Amino acid sequence: KNEVEQSPQNLTAQEGEFITINCSYSVGISALHWLQQHPGGGIVSLFMLSSGKKKHGRLIATINIQEKHSSLHITASHPRDSAVYICAVDKETSGSRLTFGEGTQLTVNP
Amino acid sequence: DAGITQSPRYKITETGRQVTLMCHQTWSHSYMFWYRQDLGHGLRLIYYSAAADITDKGEVPDGYVVSRSKTENFPLTLESATRSQTSVYFCASFERGYEQYFGPGTRLTVT
Repeated sequence: KNEVEQSPQNLTAQEGEFITINCSYSVGISALHWLQQHPGGGIVSLFMLSSGKKKHGRLIATINIQEKHSSLHITASHPRDSAVYICAVDKETSGSRLTFGEGTQLTVNP
Repeated sequence: DAGITQSPRYKITETGRQVTLMCHQTWSHSYMFWYRQDLGHGLRLIYYSAAADITDKGEVPDGYVVSRSKTENFPLTLESATRSQTSVYFCASFERGYEQYFGPGTRLTVT
């Protein structure tokens, strides 16, 4: 079983919908990262979380350390949000090497 | 300009050739990483470095060599390229407690 599991693997939404991507992990962590990768593009860090909630524009990330779970929410989704969203954890024992989830492919249709 | 850069962005080479991919960061981050990304595999760690002159193997190190004589540079060398090393390579830098920053990637094709 992977140490970092994301769901869903694929998600299709209509423009304007509220989107949630989930990440569960099974190890002790010092931080959790959400990353975004557009098709053929580079990888951008969206959030780094160690507790609570963070918000950037229409993106919101939450983490529940006790439940070992994080969610990435996108409000008022737009076709430009179409990308792969990757959850990654900095394990307490990893020496700052990230452990990655498989990614969620999001497609937002106009 | 501040940031993390990779060169070349695209490279085609022949089997058996030595290839070096360059990575440069301007933040003086302690940690640097090399990943490869293949369809169906996501990101896999090749090598990482916690500081200048300190490097360690990641998940898929075979066929690769790294060095880090200066904090800002972390070159990755394929000693004798093979077709299985055709991939997109991402360099990243990181300071613990902060976000990890990725370079734009190098698309390598080995023919």
